[in-house]
Amino acid sequence: EAQVTQNPRYLITVTGKKLTVTCSQNMNHEYMSWYRQDPGLGLRQIYYSMNVEVTDKGDVPEGYKVSRKEKRNFPLILESPSPNQTSLYFCASSGQGGGYTFGSGTRLTVV
Amino acid sequence: KQEVTQIPAALSVPEGENLVLNCSFTDSAIYNLQWFRQDPGKGLTSLLLIQSSQREQTSGRLNASLDKSSGRSTLYIAASQPGDSATYLCASDSLGFQKLVFGTGTRLLVSP
Repeated sequence: EAQVTQNPRYLITVTGKKLTVTCSQNMNHEYMSWYRQDPGLGLRQIYYSMNVEVTDKGDVPEGYKVSRKEKRNFPLILESPSPNQTSLYFCASSGQGGGYTFGSGTRLTVV
Repeated sequence: KQEVTQIPAALSVPEGENLVLNCSFTDSAIYNLQWFRQDPGKGLTSLLLIQSSQREQTSGRLNASLDKSSGRSTLYIAASQPGDSATYLCASDSLGFQKLVFGTGTRLLVSP
Protein backbone atom coordinates (compact mmCIF):
# COMPACT_ATOMS: atom_id res chain seq x y z
CA GLU A 1 0.00 0.00 0.00
CA ALA A 2 1.32 3.42 -0.99
CA GLN A 3 1.71 5.47 2.15
CA VAL A 4 3.56 8.02 4.21
CA THR A 5 4.39 6.76 7.68
CA GLN A 6 5.06 9.07 10.60
CA ASN A 7 6.23 8.12 14.05
CA PRO A 8 5.35 8.64 16.77
CA ARG A 9 1.65 9.42 16.54
CA TYR A 10 1.63 11.12 19.93
CA LEU A 11 4.49 12.64 21.88
CA ILE A 12 4.67 14.58 25.11
CA THR A 13 8.04 16.04 25.97
CA VAL A 14 9.65 18.70 28.13
CA THR A 15 11.10 22.01 27.02
CA GLY A 16 14.62 21.70 25.69
CA LYS A 17 14.73 17.94 25.21
CA LYS A 18 15.78 17.15 21.65
CA LEU A 19 13.38 15.00 19.66
CA THR A 20 13.00 13.57 16.18
CA VAL A 21 9.79 12.80 14.32
CA THR A 22 10.38 10.27 11.58
CA CYS A 23 8.73 10.23 8.16
CA SER A 24 9.06 7.55 5.53
CA GLN A 25 7.36 7.08 2.14
CA ASN A 26 7.27 3.99 -0.07
CA MET A 27 6.28 5.64 -3.36
CA ASN A 28 9.75 6.66 -4.55
CA HIS A 29 8.68 10.32 -4.46
CA GLU A 30 11.31 12.99 -4.97
CA TYR A 31 9.47 15.70 -3.04
CA MET A 32 8.77 15.59 0.69
CA SER A 33 7.68 18.28 3.14
CA TRP A 34 6.61 18.99 6.69
CA TYR A 35 3.60 21.02 7.81
CA ARG A 36 2.24 22.03 11.16
CA GLN A 37 -1.44 22.60 11.82
CA ASP A 38 -2.69 24.98 14.49
CA PRO A 39 -6.22 26.15 15.29
CA GLY A 40 -7.04 29.36 13.47
CA LEU A 41 -3.78 29.27 11.50
CA GLY A 42 -4.41 26.29 9.27
CA LEU A 43 -1.59 24.27 7.74
CA ARG A 44 1.78 25.94 7.35
CA GLN A 45 4.86 24.53 5.68
CA ILE A 46 7.97 24.09 7.83
CA TYR A 47 10.55 22.63 5.43
CA TYR A 48 10.58 20.83 2.14
CA SER A 49 12.97 18.70 0.13
CA MET A 50 13.11 18.38 -3.64
CA ASN A 51 15.39 15.34 -3.52
CA VAL A 52 18.20 13.69 -1.57
CA GLU A 53 20.46 16.28 0.07
CA VAL A 54 18.26 19.14 -1.20
CA THR A 55 16.22 20.89 1.48
CA ASP A 56 14.82 24.39 1.89
CA LYS A 57 12.86 26.47 4.35
CA GLY A 58 9.13 26.82 4.22
CA ASP A 59 7.04 29.49 5.90
CA VAL A 60 7.77 28.63 9.56
CA PRO A 61 11.22 26.99 9.79
CA GLU A 62 12.42 28.55 13.06
CA GLY A 63 13.26 25.97 15.70
CA TYR A 64 13.27 23.02 13.30
CA LYS A 65 15.85 21.08 11.33
CA VAL A 66 15.49 18.45 8.63
CA SER A 67 17.72 16.11 6.70
CA ARG A 68 17.28 14.05 3.55
CA LYS A 69 20.00 11.43 3.39
CA GLU A 70 17.81 8.84 1.71
CA LYS A 71 15.01 9.34 -0.76
CA ARG A 72 12.40 7.62 1.38
CA ASN A 73 13.10 9.32 4.72
CA PHE A 74 12.67 12.92 5.82
CA PRO A 75 12.96 13.31 9.61
CA LEU A 76 11.95 16.47 11.45
CA ILE A 77 14.27 17.45 14.28
CA LEU A 78 13.47 19.77 17.16
CA GLU A 79 16.81 20.51 18.81
CA SER A 80 15.37 22.43 21.75
CA PRO A 81 11.57 22.20 21.75
CA SER A 82 9.52 25.00 23.26
CA PRO A 83 5.83 25.14 24.22
CA ASN A 84 5.00 27.18 21.10
CA GLN A 85 5.95 24.12 19.05
CA THR A 86 3.02 22.21 20.49
CA SER A 87 1.08 21.35 17.37
CA LEU A 88 -0.15 18.67 14.99
CA TYR A 89 2.58 17.82 12.48
CA PHE A 90 2.16 16.28 9.06
CA CYS A 91 4.66 14.87 6.64
CA ALA A 92 3.76 14.75 2.94
CA SER A 93 5.28 13.47 -0.27
CA SER A 94 4.61 14.11 -3.93
CA GLY A 95 5.88 12.63 -7.16
CA GLN A 96 5.68 13.22 -10.90
CA GLY A 97 2.34 14.66 -11.93
CA GLY A 98 1.65 16.17 -8.56
CA GLY A 99 -0.80 15.12 -5.92
CA TYR A 100 0.25 14.97 -2.29
CA THR A 101 0.03 12.03 0.11
CA PHE A 102 0.00 12.92 3.79
CA GLY A 103 0.98 10.93 6.83
CA SER A 104 -1.41 10.32 9.71
CA GLY A 105 0.07 13.11 11.78
CA THR A 106 2.07 13.48 14.97
CA ARG A 107 0.50 15.31 17.88
CA LEU A 108 3.30 16.93 19.84
CA THR A 109 2.89 18.52 23.24
CA VAL A 110 5.82 20.41 24.77
CA VAL A 111 5.45 21.19 28.49
CA LYS B 1 0.93 35.33 -3.14
CA GLN B 2 -1.69 32.61 -3.48
CA GLU B 3 -4.66 32.86 -1.15
CA VAL B 4 -7.28 30.16 -0.94
CA THR B 5 -10.71 30.72 0.59
CA GLN B 6 -13.48 28.26 1.28
CA ILE B 7 -17.15 29.01 1.66
CA PRO B 8 -19.08 28.21 3.74
CA ALA B 9 -16.94 27.80 6.83
CA ALA B 10 -19.49 25.38 8.29
CA LEU B 11 -22.43 23.52 6.87
CA SER B 12 -25.08 21.38 8.53
CA VAL B 13 -27.42 19.29 6.38
CA PRO B 14 -29.79 16.34 6.83
CA GLU B 15 -28.78 12.99 5.46
CA GLY B 16 -29.51 12.48 1.77
CA GLU B 17 -28.99 16.04 0.62
CA ASN B 18 -26.74 16.93 -2.27
CA LEU B 19 -24.33 19.69 -1.39
CA VAL B 20 -21.64 21.90 -2.86
CA LEU B 21 -18.49 23.15 -1.17
CA ASN B 22 -16.74 26.12 -2.70
CA CYS B 23 -13.06 26.96 -2.99
CA SER B 24 -11.66 30.14 -4.53
CA PHE B 25 -8.05 31.07 -5.21
CA THR B 26 -6.40 34.33 -6.19
CA ASP B 27 -3.65 33.12 -8.54
CA SER B 28 -4.97 31.22 -11.54
CA ALA B 29 -1.50 29.89 -12.47
CA ILE B 30 -2.03 26.74 -10.45
CA TYR B 31 -0.50 23.38 -11.23
CA ASN B 32 -2.99 21.18 -9.41
CA LEU B 33 -6.01 21.57 -7.13
CA GLN B 34 -6.49 18.89 -4.51
CA TRP B 35 -9.37 18.23 -2.15
CA PHE B 36 -8.80 16.59 1.22
CA ARG B 37 -10.92 15.34 4.04
CA GLN B 38 -9.85 15.63 7.67
CA ASP B 39 -11.59 14.02 10.63
CA PRO B 40 -11.06 15.74 14.02
CA GLY B 41 -7.47 15.38 15.15
CA LYS B 42 -6.70 13.01 12.30
CA GLY B 43 -4.68 13.03 9.12
CA LEU B 44 -5.49 14.38 5.68
CA THR B 45 -7.12 11.97 3.28
CA SER B 46 -6.87 12.89 -0.38
CA LEU B 47 -10.26 12.84 -2.09
CA LEU B 48 -9.67 14.19 -5.57
CA LEU B 49 -6.80 15.68 -7.54
CA ILE B 50 -7.54 17.94 -10.51
CA GLN B 51 -4.55 18.65 -12.68
CA SER B 52 -4.34 21.99 -14.46
CA SER B 53 -5.26 20.48 -17.84
CA GLN B 54 -8.40 18.91 -16.41
CA ARG B 55 -11.75 20.48 -15.59
CA GLU B 56 -13.19 17.87 -13.26
CA GLN B 57 -12.64 14.59 -11.47
CA THR B 58 -15.11 12.10 -10.06
CA SER B 59 -14.86 9.43 -7.41
CA GLY B 60 -18.01 7.68 -6.28
CA ARG B 61 -20.41 10.26 -4.85
CA LEU B 62 -17.82 13.02 -5.14
CA ASN B 63 -17.25 15.31 -8.09
CA ALA B 64 -14.78 18.18 -8.14
CA SER B 65 -14.55 20.82 -10.82
CA LEU B 66 -11.89 23.40 -11.59
CA ASP B 67 -12.30 26.72 -13.40
CA LYS B 68 -8.91 28.39 -13.49
CA SER B 69 -10.14 31.49 -15.31
CA SER B 70 -12.55 32.35 -12.53
CA GLY B 71 -10.30 31.07 -9.76
CA ARG B 72 -12.81 28.58 -8.43
CA SER B 73 -13.19 24.93 -7.61
CA THR B 74 -16.26 23.16 -6.27
CA LEU B 75 -16.68 19.83 -4.52
CA TYR B 76 -20.07 18.24 -5.08
CA ILE B 77 -21.20 15.53 -2.66
CA ALA B 78 -24.21 13.53 -3.74
CA ALA B 79 -26.64 11.87 -1.33
CA SER B 80 -24.75 12.92 1.78
CA GLN B 81 -24.33 10.45 4.66
CA PRO B 82 -23.46 10.93 8.35
CA GLY B 83 -20.09 9.36 7.60
CA ASP B 84 -19.32 12.34 5.36
CA SER B 85 -19.13 14.57 8.45
CA ALA B 86 -15.62 16.01 8.51
CA THR B 87 -13.66 19.10 7.56
CA TYR B 88 -13.01 19.46 3.86
CA LEU B 89 -9.92 21.30 2.69
CA CYS B 90 -8.95 22.42 -0.78
CA ALA B 91 -5.33 23.14 -1.60
CA SER B 92 -3.60 24.64 -4.61
CA ASP B 93 -0.23 23.63 -5.92
CA SER B 94 1.26 26.46 -7.94
CA LEU B 95 4.15 26.30 -10.38
CA GLY B 96 7.30 27.59 -8.78
CA PHE B 97 5.93 27.38 -5.26
CA GLN B 98 7.14 24.23 -3.56
CA LYS B 99 4.17 23.83 -1.26
CA LEU B 100 0.45 23.40 -1.04
CA VAL B 101 -1.55 26.47 -0.10
CA PHE B 102 -4.55 25.35 1.91
CA GLY B 103 -7.96 26.87 2.15
CA THR B 104 -9.60 27.71 5.42
CA GLY B 105 -11.75 24.58 5.35
CA THR B 106 -15.46 23.77 5.46
CA ARG B 107 -16.70 21.86 8.47
CA LEU B 108 -19.52 19.59 7.35
CA LEU B 109 -22.07 17.93 9.63
CA VAL B 110 -24.55 15.48 8.14
CA SER B 111 -27.34 14.56 10.51
CA PRO B 112 -29.17 11.20 10.37
